[in-house]
Amino acid sequence: GEQVEQRPPHLSVPEGDSAVIICTYTDSATAYFYWYKQEPGAGLQLLMSVFSNVDRKEEQGLTVLLNKKDKQLSLNLTAAHPGDSAVYFCAVSATGGADRLTFGKGTQLIIQP
Amino acid sequence: NAGVIQTPRHKVTGKGQEATLWCEPISGHSAVFWYRQTIVQGLEFLTYFRNQAPIDDSGMPKERFSAQMPNQSHSTLKIQSTQPQDSAVYLCASSLGDSDYTFGSGTRLLVI
Repeated sequence: GEQVEQRPPHLSVPEGDSAVIICTYTDSATAYFYWYKQEPGAGLQLLMSVFSNVDRKEEQGLTVLLNKKDKQLSLNLTAAHPGDSAVYFCAVSATGGADRLTFGKGTQLIIQP
Repeated sequence: NAGVIQTPRHKVTGKGQEATLWCEPISGHSAVFWYRQTIVQGLEFLTYFRNQAPIDDSGMPKERFSAQMPNQSHSTLKIQSTQPQDSAVYLCASSLGDSDYTFGSGTRLLVI
């Protein structure tokens, strides 16, 4: 079945710097890609979803890149601020919304004030 | 729209007792998913329903775990004879079935 590797597991960057998280997946049939943010004691907050026909998507200081050739998905937070400190998960699905999500292990992001 | 509602938020049970977790999906969403989150294993798929029918329970432990969706407004996950290794955050998500998933805040289960 699908496997998703996420790196790094921990990331600490100064406020104002960029942070990059990368996921690789195995199933070439995967078509839907998601990034979630989880704050302590809370559920998963959807940051961005991308369909496989999109290579790049930008929203509110976040950039998602999808490289289907290398089966790689990345999340770039530009000008990070302390409120961005959280655990970030990538997730993939074959048929968005109608199938299970397979998650990466998560990245603990700390933004240093 | 109150989002996906999970109750209780926290539950403590004694080893061997039964635990029932509730999920109320967003009204109109046809798909409901259950996941388990632990530090060691991360987020694991358990089961899901579409239009109340069970579609895939391949992630459910074969013993002691069961899930139901008796109507479109709620789903339950029941764990019989709870064990310490069942301690986890159980997350429910719902979807219209065509794109995005909305997660609840989860139920943190502690088995002592």
